[in-house]
Parts: sequence; structure tokens; C-alpha cells
Amino acid sequence: NAGVMQNPRHLVRRRGQEARLRCSPMKGHSHVYWYRQLPEEGLKFMVYLQKENIIDESGMPKERFSAEFPKEGPSILRIQQVVRGDSAAYFCASSQGQNQPQHFGDGTRLSIL
Amino acid sequence: TQLLEQSPQFLSIQEGENLTVYCNSSSVFSSLQWYRQEPGEGPVLLVTVVTGGEVKKLKRLTFQFGDARKDSSLHITAAQPGDTGLYLCAGENAGNMLTFGGGTRLMVKP
Repeated sequence: NAGVMQNPRHLVRRRGQEARLRCSPMKGHSHVYWYRQLPEEGLKFMVYLQKENIIDESGMPKERFSAEFPKEGPSILRIQQVVRGDSAAYFCASSQGQNQPQHFGDGTRLSIL
Repeated sequence: TQLLEQSPQFLSIQEGENLTVYCNSSSVFSSLQWYRQEPGEGPVLLVTVVTGGEVKKLKRLTFQFGDARKDSSLHITAAQPGDTGLYLCAGENAGNMLTFGGGTRLMVKP
């Protein structure tokens, strides 16, 4: 099953550490999206990337958060100096192109101690 | 800021009952998707509606997109325990990002 693969599934970090979340899109998909889901809430858009380009990062916090989708390898969502409020499930989705259905991975659950 | 409001937030019904979940916005969307999410998993796409007034059926599930493309509904006929889960609507705009509603958590009791 070549679906969207996210790893790790669970990540525990202490306050001040860095968190790196990885996402491999479905085969043939070149558009990647990151969403965050806080407990008991819906998903909130963070960033939209194509290969080597950030298309829309309007949902990304201005500090500590960054994302990339290199020519080779998975997309990375990086959170520096994590705080308790970063605890959430982070979902990646991919699509074949613009205005195409987005297919989601099973998420990375980030817990900050 | 585009917002999508889902109602009800929680719904607990008996097996065999019918139910409708609503998704409303003051904004127009180019398309609207319905997803279902199980605990510990990602949302799974159920349907995409694009045209105002469009109705799509998926077995016992009926999805409708409002004429003005601002609202949508999901109707489940003769609910089964296997329908239990979190149902999410998401509107898509020209920028490709999805705006999600807060979700409806459905429990169907046997």
C-alpha cells in the first residue's frame, strides 16, 4: 500500500528540544500539505509545498516552525525549541496536483514533556 | 478567514436510525470534501462535491452541496455500529488549502 507515510508515529520531546517530522507522499504526488490537529479540534492548515518550493505558509507560526520538501527525500516539518503548546497530532497530505483530492497519512503524535 | 461550522458536535444514536450532519459557512468554496477519521489514524476521504446543488451517494451515505456552495450535509440511512467515527467536512479554495470544520463525533450503539 503506497499511501502517505509519516514517521515517527509518536514523538516525545522535552521543552527546548527540536522535533523533526517526516512525510513521504503517495507515489506520483508532488504536492504536500501539513496540518495540525489539537485535541478535540479539527485540522488546521499549516503549509503547502511542492518539490523545493513553499507555495503557501500562511498557517505556519512565524517562529520556530519550518518546512521543506527537497528534490530527493521526504518532506520535513521542523519545530525548534518545542513548548508544551506544540503537543498535537501533525498530519501530512499529498495530492497529484492543484485542486486534486488530498490523501492523508496517519499522523505524528507529538508530546512535549 | 474562512470558517466551517459543523453540527452537531456529538451524536449518539441507536443502530438503524437515520442522521444528518451539517457543515455551514459564510464563505464560498470551490469544492468541499467529507472525511472520516478513526482514532489514531488520518482522515480518509469519503467524497468530493464540486457543483452547487450536487448530490452524491455512497451506499447508505448521501452528500449534498448547497446551491451557493457555502454549505453541505451528510445523511446516513440506517446507521450501523461500523459508521462510528469522526466525520470532518473540509472546504477547498483557489489556494489549494483545506479549511476543516470542527468535526462531528458519531457513535452508533448496537
